[in-house]
Amino acid sequence: GQSLEQPSEVTAVEGAIVQINCTYQTSGFYGLSWYQQHDGGAPTFLSYNGLDGLEETGRFSSFLSRSDSYGYLLLQELQMKDSASYFCAWVSGGGADGLTFGKGTHLIIQP
Amino acid sequence: DSGVTQTPKHLITATGQRVTLRCSPRSGDLSVYWYQQSLDQGLQFLIQYYNGEERAKGNILERFSAQQFPDLHSELNLSSLELGDSALYFCASSGAAAAYNEQFFGPGTRLTVL
Repeated sequence: GQSLEQPSEVTAVEGAIVQINCTYQTSGFYGLSWYQQHDGGAPTFLSYNGLDGLEETGRFSSFLSRSDSYGYLLLQELQMKDSASYFCAWVSGGGADGLTFGKGTHLIIQP
Repeated sequence: DSGVTQTPKHLITATGQRVTLRCSPRSGDLSVYWYQQSLDQGLQFLIQYYNGEERAKGNILERFSAQQFPDLHSELNLSSLELGDSALYFCASSGAAAAYNEQFFGPGTRLTVL
């Protein structure tokens, strides 16, 4: 079958670093995207990994390992505003299909 | 503000009815995606249009249909509504056809079926 697994909830402290993991089991995998969604808001794009390795965008980084069917989102210097849900989403079909989202990880930041 | 607009913001209707949700993409974006978000199913891809043509289909029910018009706005039609169709419906747009490109989400339409 096809699946995307990510933790349902992660708690971290302001100023710290947190890693949100995403493992997948699917055929026709093309790449992994990450989106952020605040409560009551719309998802916003964070990053895309089409190749193995690390992609860095400011305080956020995303990593993909195709051989391990695994990716993660790394958030550094956590701020209270980072409290949100984070979704990994895989792209299939050479990008010709839509995004398949995981269930999301609710990140709680404590002061 | 993503630049994507959706109307209406809220919609309350009864089972068996039909509704139309509207989406205007960002200026210049040719791709429009529709997603359904509910507590039990999460965020699910329904359908994508690119420059007026259907490009990709996800978990869209036969009771649901969509189209993209020449001015690139899109409508999602939901018919024979059931209680389980109550959800938040998002539209997203992108400048390119492939789904891995950054998608810009609208604020969503919250549908409640009573």
